[in-house]
Amino acid sequence: GQNIDQPTEMTATEGAIVQINCTYQTSGFNGLFWYQQHAGEAPTFLSYNVLDGLEEKGRFSSFLSRSKGYSYLLLKELQMKDSASYLCAVVNYQLIWGAGTKLIIKP
Amino acid sequence: DAGITQSPRYKITETGRQVTLMCHQTWSHSYMFWYRQDLGHGLRLIYYSAAADITDKGEVPDGYVVSRSKTENFPLTLESATRSQTSVYFCASSESTGGIQYFGAGTRLSVL
Repeated sequence: GQNIDQPTEMTATEGAIVQINCTYQTSGFNGLFWYQQHAGEAPTFLSYNVLDGLEEKGRFSSFLSRSKGYSYLLLKELQMKDSASYLCAVVNYQLIWGAGTKLIIKP
Repeated sequence: DAGITQSPRYKITETGRQVTLMCHQTWSHSYMFWYRQDLGHGLRLIYYSAAADITDKGEVPDGYVVSRSKTENFPLTLESATRSQTSVYFCASSESTGGIQYFGAGTRLSVL
């Protein structure tokens, strides 16, 4: 079967660092996406990993370990506007989506 | 306007009625997708299309019909709406099946 696991909810403090994990078990793998979704809005693309290692993009970084079936999204210098859900999706011909992690930022 | 647009943004209907949700994209992307999003679930694929006149079922196709006569349009029809189809529906488009997907703003559908 296909399974993607993410924590349901996380809380962090403004200015801090948070790591959102995603583990997957899929029959195939051709890359992993992270999307951000603010409440009541559409998902928007954040990052894509296809090779092992860290991809850095400003305050956001995404890591992939294909051998462990594991990825994380690292958010630095948290801002209130980072309060959103973060969706992990594995490419196995189609995108297979995790249920998302709701990130709550407290001042 | 460039991008991907969905209409209507909100819709209330009754069980048994037919409802059509519209999706239009201006990028000439080959692939288009329909998802539903429910609390506690990830995005679930209803139908997708690789090109005009080519459509295929996703994970949860029952009760839905799609068509794609033109590259830019991909309407989703609920033939006889049921309460279990109350959800937020997102349309997306992409240059390739595993490529970055760009989403419309969504349609919030309530079936009473």
